[in-house]
Amino acid sequence: AQSVTQPDIHITVSEGASLELRCNYSYGATPYLFWYVQSPGQGLQLLLKYFSGDTLVQGIKGFEAEFKRSQSSFNLRKPSVHWSDAAEYFCAVGAGNNDMRFGAGTRLTVKP
Amino acid sequence: SQTIHQWPATLVQPVGSPLSLECTVEGTSNPNLYWYRQAAGRGLQLLFYSVGIGQISSEVPQNLSASRPQDRQFILSSKKLLLSDSGFYLCAWSVIGDRRYHGYTFGSGTRLTVV
Repeated sequence: AQSVTQPDIHITVSEGASLELRCNYSYGATPYLFWYVQSPGQGLQLLLKYFSGDTLVQGIKGFEAEFKRSQSSFNLRKPSVHWSDAAEYFCAVGAGNNDMRFGAGTRLTVKP
Repeated sequence: SQTIHQWPATLVQPVGSPLSLECTVEGTSNPNLYWYRQAAGRGLQLLFYSVGIGQISSEVPQNLSASRPQDRQFILSSKKLLLSDSGFYLCAWSVIGDRRYHGYTFGSGTRLTVV
């Protein structure tokens, strides 16, 4: 069965600094990969997704992610973090007919 | 456009009381529907999913049940709440047959505190 690992539980970055959130997956076939963001007390919002084609995908709010099959990774990046980016970020892998597996999440704190 | 509504937003219930959380989807037909629970500081746990009216699959045996009385309505229930049922409950929907491409759309969640 597929699984997702987000190695970093909590990351703190300064406003304006670059950001990379790590995601590693385990799946036997071509994965369908997603990044979601959750603001406190809110539902999850889809940031971006990958299922084929260009391995560098662009999402909303200036985020991008790169699929690296050789490393089984789908890391999320942003060149310059804004204070409003403080939230929890979830990586997910979709496979099969009714299976979406989420990572445990990475909480992002942005320092002024 | 499609929208998903979830209510109530917050709920405080005593131990042993019943529970009913409701989720409705607008703007689409025959969606796949999901209930997730998010405990404090933890990831998302899939509780139930439904591919059609009256069709419920349970992922984890527990004190909760789900029902889908109408195509776009998904209800999470409990007859007697436990303290361990506290958490943030999220409803989500996806396109049947293509959820891998489009991901899930989530509701805004219900914060349940059992006291």
